[in-house]
Amino acid sequence: EVQLVESGGGLVQPGGSLRLSCAASGFTFSSYWMSWVRQAPGKGLEWVANIKQDGSEKYYVDSVKGRFTISRDNAKNSLYLQMNSLRAEDTAVYYCAMELYDSSAFQHWGQGTPVTVSS
Amino acid sequence: QSALTQPASVSGSPGQSITISCTGTSSDVGSYNLVSWYQQHPGKAPKLMIYEGSKRPSGVSNRFSGSKSGNTASLTISGLQAEDEADYYCCSYAGSSIFYVFGTGTKVTVL
Repeated sequence: EVQLVESGGGLVQPGGSLRLSCAASGFTFSSYWMSWVRQAPGKGLEWVANIKQDGSEKYYVDSVKGRFTISRDNAKNSLYLQMNSLRAEDTAVYYCAMELYDSSAFQHWGQGTPVTVSS
Repeated sequence: QSALTQPASVSGSPGQSITISCTGTSSDVGSYNLVSWYQQHPGKAPKLMIYEGSKRPSGVSNRFSGSKSGNTASLTISGLQAEDEADYYCCSYAGSSIFYVFGTGTKVTVL
């Protein structure tokens, strides 16, 4: 059974940093693109970033470029999101998602970890 | 990159069919056959219902179907059931610089 478990969310002041983690199990982690998707309170879904199987390619939504960094450790079956210079508008539940093999869709999702940026 | 446009709400009675539209542009929905649809119940993670426009993942009811015409994709739910009441989001691949764009979301109410 595929499992994605996020952690690392919490309350942080504007301008602060946070590192999210996603522990993956139940599938060959190193074979899949992985993404972070967020959802602000009462709002819709927004794709944030993704990373290729070997970490050689990374892509970001414009609003986080230069502030967020996605990474992975295939030996630890883990995905990360380093978030710096956080803003109030980054407040959201952050989901880790496994992309469908050889296609473009989010096949499995974690339960999400909440991030609140507030003073 | 703007979000794809969906109706804010759609409703129907049990047993009826409803259709949710998802309108994009020639840069996303219109250029790729890579639209996916997600169901999200309150407080839960999204669930993949349709991928590549019309394909259903294993375990998803055949009451859910997808299609596309030009820059607009659609999700149809037939034989509406109480458990279908949820928020639904479309998503399209939009090229290697933008990658993914989601729709604005549609709340489905079963009357």
